[in-house]
Amino acid sequence: DTAVSQTPKYLVTQMGNDKSIKCEQNLGHDTMYWYKQDSKKFLKIMFSYNNKELIINETVPNRFSPKSPDKAHLNLHINSLELGDSAVYFCASSQEVSGELFFGEGSRLTVL
Amino acid sequence: AQSVTQLDSQVPVFEEAPVELRCNYSSSVSVYLFWYVQYPNQGLQLLLKYLSGSTLVESINGFEAEFNKSQTSFHLRKPSVHISDTAEYFCAVSFKTGANNLFFGTGTRLTVIP
Repeated sequence: DTAVSQTPKYLVTQMGNDKSIKCEQNLGHDTMYWYKQDSKKFLKIMFSYNNKELIINETVPNRFSPKSPDKAHLNLHINSLELGDSAVYFCASSQEVSGELFFGEGSRLTVL
Repeated sequence: AQSVTQLDSQVPVFEEAPVELRCNYSSSVSVYLFWYVQYPNQGLQLLLKYLSGSTLVESINGFEAEFNKSQTSFHLRKPSVHISDTAEYFCAVSFKTGANNLFFGTGTRLTVIP
């Protein structure tokens, strides 16, 4: 069983469209995250949810909206996609306050 | 300010040679330290971590890292690398402030040459 799973794995779309990426974890963790990895491999946190509540919201355009229907799911919805949104988006989860994260395999978004 | 620095963006090394990937951090509070590895087209996997106790930590595949508080470093080493170690390596820091947030360095691409 995959511990942290994301769908879709690849997403190609036009500028201006709206798209969503879904994430589910079966580890029983309380905290979930979205990270963005750019073309230079730089990883930056976008959001963090703890028990369905938003606890970290970094400087991210408000076109990005996370939604956590329950503590096992954290989805990412992106409105009005721009070229600069092209990246790999990673979902992750953790349980301990030490910050050890378990990552999904990533969702590669390409905006044309 | 709190930050993580990986000075080397790329490290080429011959197979069976030793390697060191450098990581330094800046923090006014205590930290937890991690190394993650990312193989091509995959997510990140935890390689090893320092939370407390012994400053030398090891992974199951021969890597080790030592927490040096005075030099604020957590360098990753392996005495003899394999082709399969070719990957991107990320140093990461979590600050003991209660906020469960991991800050990543910019990554080091390790390429093992046959």
